[in-house]
Amino acid sequence: QKEVEQDPGPLSVPEGAIVSLNCTYSNSAFQYFMWYRQYSRKGPELLMYTYSSGNKEDGRFTAQVDKSSKYISLFIRDSQPSDSATYLCAMTSTNDYKLSFGAGTTVTVRA
Amino acid sequence: NAGVTQTPKFQVLKTGQSMTLQCAQDMNHNSMYWYRQDPGMGLRLIYYSASEGTTDKGEVPNGYNVSRLNKREFSLRLESAAPSQTSVYFCASSEAGPNEKLFFGSGTQLSVL
Repeated sequence: QKEVEQDPGPLSVPEGAIVSLNCTYSNSAFQYFMWYRQYSRKGPELLMYTYSSGNKEDGRFTAQVDKSSKYISLFIRDSQPSDSATYLCAMTSTNDYKLSFGAGTTVTVRA
Repeated sequence: NAGVTQTPKFQVLKTGQSMTLQCAQDMNHNSMYWYRQDPGMGLRLIYYSASEGTTDKGEVPNGYNVSRLNKREFSLRLESAAPSQTSVYFCASSEAGPNEKLFFGSGTQLSVL
């Protein structure tokens, strides 16, 4: 069983829809949770960062962490064609140099 | 404003050939990493360097070696390439550890025939 599970999709939505992405994990020591966005043929870039449990909002993006369920989510409101990318969840614990990534979910927003 | 620069962008090797992937960052970061990305597998850590002068194995180090040449540069060497090493390789850096923001290069697409 992988340490981080993420549905690879692909996910196709119309412009303006809400996109919902999620990951589950098995390591209860994870405390730092991130979402990276990766455009085709580019390196990942950090989109959202959350420490421990709770919600974080940044513009159209909301990240949620539920440590009791070992479940994290990313919501994209009012999705735009420019949001079409692969979204990777990532997580790690204190003093761990390995950032554990999900497989990534490919999202296409149709104009 | 280069960030993390990787060379080459594309490479085709024959089984048994060797090559070195180069990576340099201009953000004065202490930590540098090499990842490989395969379909359905996500990013997997090959080697990392927590600071200048130190290197450590990651999740999938077999068949690779690294050198932290100085604070800016971190190279990845394949001594005898195998088809299983066909992948996209990413170099990344962070100010300290991976619980901080990682900055990635644009990747090297490597095919081993």
